[in-house]
Amino acid sequence: GENVEQHPSTLSVQEGDSAVIKCTYSDSASNYFPWYKQELGKRPQLIIDIRSNVGEKKDQRIAVTLNKTAKHFSLHITETQPEDSAVYFCAASKGSGYNKLIFGAGTRLAVHP
Amino acid sequence: SQTIHQWPATLVQPVGSPLSLECTVEGTSNPNLYWYRQAAGRGLQLLFYSVGIGQISSEVPQNLSASRPQDRQFILSSKKLLLSDSGFYLCAWSGDSRSYNEQFFGPGTRLTVL
Repeated sequence: GENVEQHPSTLSVQEGDSAVIKCTYSDSASNYFPWYKQELGKRPQLIIDIRSNVGEKKDQRIAVTLNKTAKHFSLHITETQPEDSAVYFCAASKGSGYNKLIFGAGTRLAVHP
Repeated sequence: SQTIHQWPATLVQPVGSPLSLECTVEGTSNPNLYWYRQAAGRGLQLLFYSVGIGQISSEVPQNLSASRPQDRQFILSSKKLLLSDSGFYLCAWSGDSRSYNEQFFGPGTRLTVL
């Protein structure tokens, strides 16, 4: 079945630095790739997503890139701030029917002032 | 706008007791609905999904069950809880099955089985 691997599992950066989280997926039919941010004790929140018909999408300090050939996609956070500290999950979906999302294991990002 | 509710927010139950968690969605019709479980410090495990009233698909064999008695209501149940059922239970919804749609999570229920 579909599998999504996410790296690294933990990431520590200084405030103002950039952070990059990478995910690979196994099913070449996947065509929808969301990223979720989960703060401690809270629900996962959708922060950005990308569909297979584009290679890059940006929203202020966050961006996502997609390489369909290599079957990997990445989250880039620039000018990190302490409030960016959270667990980030990537996911992949074929986008048909019921939009079943396959999640990565998560990356715990710590941004130090 | 659409909102998703879950209750209770927290629950402490003894082993062997029954369970009923409820999820409701407002502001949309015919949503796809999902139940996830998240163990402490872990990822998201899809338990059940539903594309319509009375239509439930199970992802993982377990002692839990789900029901969808109304279009915007999704219930997670158990007849006898196990210690391993402890976790953060999240309900989610997405749009109808004909289009690509984002999936949005409810606030969750934190279940502790003692």
